[in-house]
Amino acid sequence: AQTVTQSQPEMSVQEAETVTLSCTYDTSESDYYLFWYKQPPSRQMILVIRQEAYKQQNATENRFSVNFQKAAKSFSLKISDSQLGDAAMYFCAYRRAQKLVFGQGTRLTINP
Amino acid sequence: DAGITQSPRHKVTETGTPVTLRCHQTENHRYMYWYRQDPGHGLRLIHYSYGVKDTDKGEVSDGYSVSRSKTEDFLLTLESATSSQTSVYFCAISASQSMNTGELFFGEGSRLTVL
Repeated sequence: AQTVTQSQPEMSVQEAETVTLSCTYDTSESDYYLFWYKQPPSRQMILVIRQEAYKQQNATENRFSVNFQKAAKSFSLKISDSQLGDAAMYFCAYRRAQKLVFGQGTRLTINP
Repeated sequence: DAGITQSPRHKVTETGTPVTLRCHQTENHRYMYWYRQDPGHGLRLIHYSYGVKDTDKGEVSDGYSVSRSKTEDFLLTLESATSSQTSVYFCAISASQSMNTGELFFGEGSRLTVL
């Protein structure tokens, strides 16, 4: 069974600084998708970024980028120029076929 | 935003009573999902559906049943609620008609408390 591990239950960063959230996963498949979701206090799940495993190029979305290391089964999220609105729970997720498997989450605090 | 509506958004019930949560989508997507969210566990899949009357179990399906009689509606039923089913429940739909691709879009969640 696929598993996703986020080893950092909590992280904090100063406003305008850069922070990296870690995620590792376990799979024997070669074709899959990876995602980072953000959950602010409103509880809404918001897609931040996605990565297709067959693509070597790391995905980027404005201030958000990933470091995808397929051989190491690692998928970290880098947030540049952190803003107060980035404060949230962040979930890493793996998709193969119909199912999306989530990590335990990392709570990110932004210090003004 | 994807058209996903969950009801009720909040519910308090007593142990042993039946509970049904409803998920309604206006996107005409084939795949629908029920997850539960608990501290320290992230989101865990309860059941999912890949078409009308086609459903399958997820990793935490014990104590739950689902039904999908129409494309737009996916119901989650707790036949006899227990305190361990106190949680926040999320419905999701697949953003792609393909089985293998795409992100999921989520509803706003339903907080269930079982006393």
